[in-house]
Amino acid sequence: DAKTTQPTSMDCAEGRAANLPCNHSTISGNEYVYWYRQIHSQGPQYIIHGLKNNETNEMASLIITEDRKSSTLILPHATLRDTAVYYCIVRGDLYNQGGKLIFGQGTELSVKP
Amino acid sequence: EAGVAQSPRYKIIEKRQSVAFWCNPISGHATLYWYQQILGQGPKLLIQFQNNGVVDDSQLPKDRFSAERLKGVDSTLKIQPAKLEDSAVYLCASRSGQGARNTIYFGEGSWLTVV
Repeated sequence: DAKTTQPTSMDCAEGRAANLPCNHSTISGNEYVYWYRQIHSQGPQYIIHGLKNNETNEMASLIITEDRKSSTLILPHATLRDTAVYYCIVRGDLYNQGGKLIFGQGTELSVKP
Repeated sequence: EAGVAQSPRYKIIEKRQSVAFWCNPISGHATLYWYQQILGQGPKLLIQFQNNGVVDDSQLPKDRFSAERLKGVDSTLKIQPAKLEDSAVYLCASRSGQGARNTIYFGEGSWLTVV
């Protein structure tokens, strides 16, 4: 079973920041938080991942709380092309869960003009 | 760098027929995954390979599904005989190193409709 809880859907105005929350209260110390997104008719696309510290790349920022029980994915300036289902995934290491990704239902983000 | 390649992109078959999907992972990636994604749901892992060995096939319906990765590079997923409930997108993914810090990359998927 997925170890995360996300809102089913969210809306965001084009050009504004999209903040997608994720709860993972049972996360273990060696488990990473991964974010993927899936645009209609495409395979899941990797966005970002982190362990303890906040992370930023060209696509997004990931804010992880100090207790690691929740995180937020931030798309700083959402565009219509960011409309997709966003998956927050807690991923174990090789010896724990085989390094595999276990997907939940995700958050359907709609960016509106 | 080329991504994960899958074919065919779309397939329509009648129930009780067979179908095969092919995947070529990113060059050098030792680990390969097959996922099934039913419409409206998140992807579900079917099988995981490490080189040419199976690491996890606990969710693979072995009475009708089979997968192989004979030379530790490309892989084939077969369904025989297909059922209506097998209609889904079949996603192949791969990663390079071991451990949760290594990113998994997905292909575009093979869409199967069973009628």
